[in-house]
Amino acid sequence: GAVVSQHPSWVICKSGTSVKIECRSLDFQATTMFWYRQFPKQSLMLMATSNEGSKATYEQGVEKDKFLINHASLTLSTLTVTSAHPEDSSFYICSARPTGTYGYTFGSGTRLTVV
Amino acid sequence: DQQVKQNSPSLSVQEGRISILNCDYTNSMFDYFLWYKKYPAEGPTFLISISSIKDKNEDGRFTVFLNKSAKHLSLHIVPSQPGDSAVYFCAPLPNNDMRFGAGTRLTVKP
Repeated sequence: GAVVSQHPSWVICKSGTSVKIECRSLDFQATTMFWYRQFPKQSLMLMATSNEGSKATYEQGVEKDKFLINHASLTLSTLTVTSAHPEDSSFYICSARPTGTYGYTFGSGTRLTVV
Repeated sequence: DQQVKQNSPSLSVQEGRISILNCDYTNSMFDYFLWYKKYPAEGPTFLISISSIKDKNEDGRFTVFLNKSAKHLSLHIVPSQPGDSAVYFCAPLPNNDMRFGAGTRLTVKP
């Protein structure tokens, strides 16, 4: 089945630094990928839609200058949290939908802790 | 505008009993529905789906029922097992993105 690989699975960084999270579709091409954020005991919140070769579409309230998304190829989207602060600590998940299928496949998520 | 609602944030069930998780939607254009299961610190995994041309789809212990007139679907798990303890999300299609309901946290007690 379709696999989405997300790395790293967890990362700790100092406040003010930037962190990059990668999302790869391993056995299919994805022109569109999605980035989510989950706070403890809360639902998955869609942050942005990553579009290959074009700008990402951000949800209302998501700072695009803080959460930089790059989708340079059909198999890779990256989310960079710039100038991270403790309030950015969260669980970030990406997903993609293989062409011709209904189901979306999710990455395993990245636990970001900013200290 | 939240088009998908899971009004029960949590559900606790005894092992062996039936778990029923509900999902309501507002958009009549949705024609396919997915249920995902999520463990803590992991990404959601696909569980079961149903097309709008059906009213029931069964896969082992999991059955999803769809009531189009009521715009309501439910996921039945029977018998429930402790390993079923997770957060369950329903997601409709077509949808240009994957917006989830708030999810229902199921706890199956031994």
